[in-house]
Amino acid sequence: SQKIEQNSEALNIQEGKTATLTCNYTNYSPAYLQWYRQDPGRGPVFLLLIRENEKEKRKERLKVTFDTTLKQSLFHITASQPADSATYLCALDKTGGGADGLTFGKGTHLIIQP
Amino acid sequence: EPEVTQTPSHQVTQMGQEVILRCVPISNHLYFYWYRQILGQKVEFLVSFYNNEISEKSEIFDDQFSVERPDGSNFTLKIRSTKLEDSAMYFCASSSPPGRNQPQHFGDGTRLSIL
Repeated sequence: SQKIEQNSEALNIQEGKTATLTCNYTNYSPAYLQWYRQDPGRGPVFLLLIRENEKEKRKERLKVTFDTTLKQSLFHITASQPADSATYLCALDKTGGGADGLTFGKGTHLIIQP
Repeated sequence: EPEVTQTPSHQVTQMGQEVILRCVPISNHLYFYWYRQILGQKVEFLVSFYNNEISEKSEIFDDQFSVERPDGSNFTLKIRSTKLEDSAMYFCASSSPPGRNQPQHFGDGTRLSIL
């Protein structure tokens, strides 16, 4: 069955350093992959989308890579700040028609320490 | 910036009762979704909806569940006879055409507590 794994339940990073989060998947050939941020008691907020034919995508301090051979995506936050503390979710599409539901990983809880 | 709004923010219901969760998606979006998140667990897909019909549904979305777009702005999820295990956060989301390869915009959810 399809499976998505995110690298750890909690990740502690010193402010100013780069945080790197991992998303691995199996039994999947997604056309694209998305990263979301979720704060406690709130809905997921879209951050970045990367397509299967793209190796890397950037937005301000965020960078995503997508390796379809390794079946892995890496999500980087450079110059991290305490306000970046949140749970980060990896999500993959399902194959099929237009209104595809997303399959989410459990998320990595990122803590940026001042 | 336009946003997805959900009401109520918290719903408490006796087991066996019917509940209707309401959502107002972003106005020019055409694809609508419901997800749920049981406390401490991952976000799970329930159903997607396009052109006034269900496009896709998960195993969770059984005969107890139904969705409707009763007018041009609302999108509802009905649970006919609630069970204790239906207690969760329910998120509505919407996306613009063509649906696939588009970000999904989520509301802040309805916390459903079944007693």
